[in-house]
Amino acid sequence: GAVVSQHPSRVICKSGTSVKIECRSLDFQATTMFWYRQFPKQSLMLMATSNEGSKATYEQGVEKDKFLINHASLTLSTLTVTSAHPEDSSFYICSARTQGRGTIYFGEGSWLTVV
Amino acid sequence: GNSVTQMEGPVTLSEEAFLTINCTYTATGYPSLFWYVQYPGEGLQLLLKATKADDKGSNKGFEATYRKETTSFHLEKGSVQVSDSAVYFCALTGRVIQGAQKLVFGQGTRLTINP
Repeated sequence: GAVVSQHPSRVICKSGTSVKIECRSLDFQATTMFWYRQFPKQSLMLMATSNEGSKATYEQGVEKDKFLINHASLTLSTLTVTSAHPEDSSFYICSARTQGRGTIYFGEGSWLTVV
Repeated sequence: GNSVTQMEGPVTLSEEAFLTINCTYTATGYPSLFWYVQYPGEGLQLLLKATKADDKGSNKGFEATYRKETTSFHLEKGSVQVSDSAVYFCALTGRVIQGAQKLVFGQGTRLTINP
């Protein structure tokens, strides 16, 4: 079946640095990808939606200059957390939507810890 | 806006016990309803879905019925197994963003099945 892969699965970075998380659709082309953030014991919160080749649409309250999303190809979207702070520590998960029937597949998620 | 409320976890059961995880929703219009499952270390996987009132989604022994009158989509399984241990998310479709429908998730319910 369709697979979405995220990398890295875990990352620790220092405050003030930037970190990039990749989301790849391995066996299908994804015109639309979604980025979510999950706080402990809370729901997945949609951060942004991106279509290949166009700017991402950010949810209200999400800083687009802090969470940079690039959907440069039909199989790759990246989320860059810029000038990371400890409060950015969270679980980030992406999903990708296939063309046609539009089934959504999720990546395995990435744990970010900012120290 | 649309929202989903799930039964709080964690839920711990013995093998072969009956499972119910409650899910209620608030939505305008006629959303589709979903249950996703997240096994340890993996991404979310679609477990089952229902697209209209009175529909019953089923998969792997799990069932959920779309109840419009009670705005509920409770997940049930008659006899759980240790391999069912995972986090379960109830979700519904929300507004359309860039041609794709946004998923709104509940907070997730962690289920642990003891042998």
